[in-house]
Amino acid sequence: DTGVSQNPRHKITKRGQNVTFRCDPISEHNRLYWYRQTLGQGPEFLTYFQNEAQLEKSRLLSDRFSAERPKGSFSTLEIQRTEQGDSAMYLCASSFGLAGEETQYFGPGTRLLVL
Amino acid sequence: QKEVEQDPGPLSVPEGAIVSLNCTYSNSAFQYFMWYRQYSRKGPELLMYTYSSGNKEDGRFTAQVDKSSKYISLFIRDSQPSDSATYLCAMSRSGGYQKVTFGIGTKLQVIP
Repeated sequence: DTGVSQNPRHKITKRGQNVTFRCDPISEHNRLYWYRQTLGQGPEFLTYFQNEAQLEKSRLLSDRFSAERPKGSFSTLEIQRTEQGDSAMYLCASSFGLAGEETQYFGPGTRLLVL
Repeated sequence: QKEVEQDPGPLSVPEGAIVSLNCTYSNSAFQYFMWYRQYSRKGPELLMYTYSSGNKEDGRFTAQVDKSSKYISLFIRDSQPSDSATYLCAMSRSGGYQKVTFGIGTKLQVIP
């Protein structure tokens, strides 16, 4: 399977715990995005990487959230001191191509439940 | 007011019907318009991608963009039960990377 992969697919944690999600983009894609989707809503942009550089962060990404993309390959999204409001599907997408002409391919998502 | 408005449905149609899905938007800077299909508990899958105004057809799917009215549509001909999913409209500004803004999604059910 050469699509975007995300691990784990599901995560249940207790409030206050830290969690980390991983995204492996399509190999030749240099852009990587994280989105959050809550029940009954469309995905909301969280952050964007071009290669290893994190170029934009949404105001939705509080100080408890941190994302990295070492060496411009896979990416991790960490949530510290989780809160019940963090419960959502976390989606990763990757893309390649000229700016404005790219197509984002989404992974299956990591579903987080904070108890 | 949200930048992108989309009726959440649900929309139920009989198999074989023509389905019309729509979104309106408020930001005139949007230049790229997309439709994604999302099955339950899966990631979104890109269906259609258009730039600026006009129509684009791909098999049973037709996307229309009317920038003067800030209105986009997706038509599905000969709908099938396998088309049952949530359809998300999405759009982005011109230039630079694509920070995509999504609609809330319309849940479609095609009844055999």
